[in-house]
Amino acid sequence: EDQVTQSPEALRLQEGESSSLNCSYTVSGLRGLFWYRQDPGKGPEFLFTLYSAGEEKEKERLKATLTKKESFLHITAPKPEDSATYLCAVQAGGYSTLTFGKGTMLLVSP
Amino acid sequence: DTGVSQDPRHKITKRGQNVTFRCDPISEHNRLYWYRQTLGQGPEFLTYFQNEAQLEKSRLLSDRFSAERPKGSFSTLEIQRTEQGDSAMYLCASSLGGPGNTIYFGEGSWLTVV
Repeated sequence: EDQVTQSPEALRLQEGESSSLNCSYTVSGLRGLFWYRQDPGKGPEFLFTLYSAGEEKEKERLKATLTKKESFLHITAPKPEDSATYLCAVQAGGYSTLTFGKGTMLLVSP
Repeated sequence: DTGVSQDPRHKITKRGQNVTFRCDPISEHNRLYWYRQTLGQGPEFLTYFQNEAQLEKSRLLSDRFSAERPKGSFSTLEIQRTEQGDSAMYLCASSLGGPGNTIYFGEGSWLTVV
């Protein structure tokens, strides 16, 4: 059974204080690892898809990396508007569906 | 691209009543998914369609839940005889066919069963 574990559960940063969120996974045949951002009361917003170990993708202050066992979402010089829950999900084997972690709730204080 | 659209956004119902949610996917997407999310948890898969065919259902999906996608376009999710444990956000998502394609989510439909 596919498993996705995100850490920490919650993270509080000062504006400008860089950090990383972790997503470790156990799957059989990874097809893709997805990162989403979710604001309170809204649906997940797509950020990145990573397909193979060593791959990296960037968007503004966010950078996602992937190894064979985990992915990191690096946040450089965060701003208060980066505050949200960040969800990691995997698509594996012959399935088209996503298995999600519980998310990391990020709060960036000014 | 108008995104995935869900209706209603919020629904309050009494225990035992039936409720139905509608989802309109991104127009060219042939895959449509339903997920459920409760507070503090990640979205949990319920079922998915490719065109009008329902290809997969979660083992967790009670018999009280039924989903349809009659013409391969919009979809409905019906919950019969609602229970308090059904209170959650119901998320619809869509994608093009093929592994690794991006799955885009709607804003969700909140259900509160009182």
